[in-house]
Amino acid sequence: DAEITQSPRHKITETGRQVTLACHQTWNHNNMFWYRQDLGHGLRLIHYSYGVQDTNKGEVSDGYSVSRSNTEDLPLTLESAASSQTSVYFCASSPGPGPYEQYFGPGTRLTVT
Amino acid sequence: GENVEQHPSTLSVQEGDSAVIKCTYSDSASNYFPWYKQELGKRPQLIIDIRSNVGEKKDQRIAVTLNKTAKHFSLHITETQPEDSAVYFCAAQYSNDYKLSFGAGTTVTVRA
Repeated sequence: DAEITQSPRHKITETGRQVTLACHQTWNHNNMFWYRQDLGHGLRLIHYSYGVQDTNKGEVSDGYSVSRSNTEDLPLTLESAASSQTSVYFCASSPGPGPYEQYFGPGTRLTVT
Repeated sequence: GENVEQHPSTLSVQEGDSAVIKCTYSDSASNYFPWYKQELGKRPQLIIDIRSNVGEKKDQRIAVTLNKTAKHFSLHITETQPEDSAVYFCAAQYSNDYKLSFGAGTTVTVRA
């Protein structure tokens, strides 16, 4: 069955380290999104992509980067992890174009100490 | 950009009663409004959505209404059951775009 996966599911890292979170989907969706979820803030968009080689900044993109070299993957990189980036990260995908449901991955819980 | 406000932030209801969650949005050109349910420790999952050419949509015990003039939409859950306990998020799609802007969420607790 087609699916969307994230790895690792849990990660503890130290301040200043570079961290990469993986997101992989097998639906062949053009659109992929990264969100962070914090209490009281809901889901906030970090970066998104509408196709290979396309990347865009979301509302909370500072300190994060993404790259899209193929349809299936959108890795999220924290260039220099900060304690403020401790959060649960969700990847999502949707078919394009048009308004469609976004399908979420299982999430990655990241702790920056 | 789109700004979505969601109320209330918490809601406690007796089993069998109804629950209503309301959201407002700022971009009058938004045309897609999904609702997601997130159980503890799980991923958000779509439960119902509505598009701007429809005023109301029902799916068993769940219904969503949309008032484009007032720029608000609501989720109605009837005959609530313990399994309805979760966090519910509303969202609105940016105009001419595929991004979603989410509300802050409503924690619903159904008391037995």
